[in-house]
Amino acid sequence: GAVVSQHPSRVICKSGTSVKIECRSLDFQATTMFWYRQFPKQSLMLMATSNEGSKATYEQGVEKDKFLINHASLTLSTLTVTSAHPEDSSFYICSARDPLTGMRNEQYFGPGTRLTVT
Amino acid sequence: DAKTTQPPSMDCAEGRAANLPCNHSTISGNEYVYWYRQIHSQGPQYIIHGLKNNETNEMASLIITEDRKSSTLILPHATLRDTAVYYCIVRGNFGNEKLTFGTGTRLTIIP
Repeated sequence: GAVVSQHPSRVICKSGTSVKIECRSLDFQATTMFWYRQFPKQSLMLMATSNEGSKATYEQGVEKDKFLINHASLTLSTLTVTSAHPEDSSFYICSARDPLTGMRNEQYFGPGTRLTVT
Repeated sequence: DAKTTQPPSMDCAEGRAANLPCNHSTISGNEYVYWYRQIHSQGPQYIIHGLKNNETNEMASLIITEDRKSSTLILPHATLRDTAVYYCIVRGNFGNEKLTFGTGTRLTIIP
């Protein structure tokens, strides 16, 4: 199947700083990528849908000014957590949809990025 | 997306078939049943999906009842590496349909 990578896999930052997480589709072009957040022992929660060349669509309750999403190319989307606080510590996962898979339409997930804010 | 109901946890002996049930009684006619799994601290992995016919691939089989109100994911010969949280998701199959994850079933394979 298609491969999606994330960088970094783990990051520790101090409260008040910003952190950028990259999501790349390695062997396909993704017009749409999705960003999820997962707290310990909980399920994945969709944060936003990232569309190449246009503004991201955020889910209700997700602050777009705090979680900046940029999808500047067909293989790269970035999530920047601005002014991070300890409550932002979480597992951030991206996924990408390969439009060429036709009716399959499944999403391919990255390995996740564990963010710890101290 | 239609809601799904899954048991919170299940155990299965290694080498046996693992049968994971999912109820989706409010599924609409154009919605598919998708299964993903998430091994600890990794991103979810696609397993299989179907509309109304039973499906089989190299990972699993999907049995969907005739009324489409429930389905069962079958891992024919479970191994320790199949220990994971399994998510049953119902969604349409066009455009940029979102995946809404429920709480899933935590499957533990017992040696």
